[in-house]
Amino acid sequence: GENVEQHPSTLSVQEGDSAVIKCTYSDSASNYFPWYKQELGKGPQLIIDIRSNVGEKKDQRIAVTLNKTAKHFSLHITETQPEDSAVYFCAASISDYKLSFGAGTTVTVRA
Amino acid sequence: ETGVTQTPRHLVMGMTNKKSLKCEQHLGHNAMYWYKQSAKKPLELMFVYSLEERVENNSVPSRFSPECPNSSHLFLHLHTLQPEDSALYLCASSFGLADNEQFFGPGTRLTVL
Repeated sequence: GENVEQHPSTLSVQEGDSAVIKCTYSDSASNYFPWYKQELGKGPQLIIDIRSNVGEKKDQRIAVTLNKTAKHFSLHITETQPEDSAVYFCAASISDYKLSFGAGTTVTVRA
Repeated sequence: ETGVTQTPRHLVMGMTNKKSLKCEQHLGHNAMYWYKQSAKKPLELMFVYSLEERVENNSVPSRFSPECPNSSHLFLHLHTLQPEDSALYLCASSFGLADNEQFFGPGTRLTVL
């Protein structure tokens, strides 16, 4: 099955700096790559996603890039703010509902 | 709020107890999911229901028994659990199986003594 690896496991950044989280996947048939944000005491919430026919997608301060050849995708958060502190999960999907998740990155934004 | 609610939020049970977790979605979705979230591990898909029919049982031990009486409600019945079953159990829903976007509830933090 699909194997998704996520790095780093923890990330501390100064407020205003950028944060980058990287994920690799094993199955070249994967075609959907969502990113979820999980705040303390809450369930994961989708923040951005990308499909395999697109190389980059932006939504305000967050962006995701996909390199199908290398089988990796990344989440970029610019101008980080304290409310960006959370656990972020990447995932990859070969088909429909089956999401294979990474182990998560705990992001801490220092004021 | 994501439109997916879970009760209880916290549960402590002994290994011989029987308890149930409840999930309700107010989004008009047709597919519902149970995930197990353990510390520092990827989310593990446990069960998937579509239009009240189970379509996925991801090799989950029989001490976990799901029930989906209608498309808005999903239960996870627990009996004779083990301490290693302690985790956060997340419910999610999506419009359909072909819809990748899943909406998660806040989870039930389960502790098995």
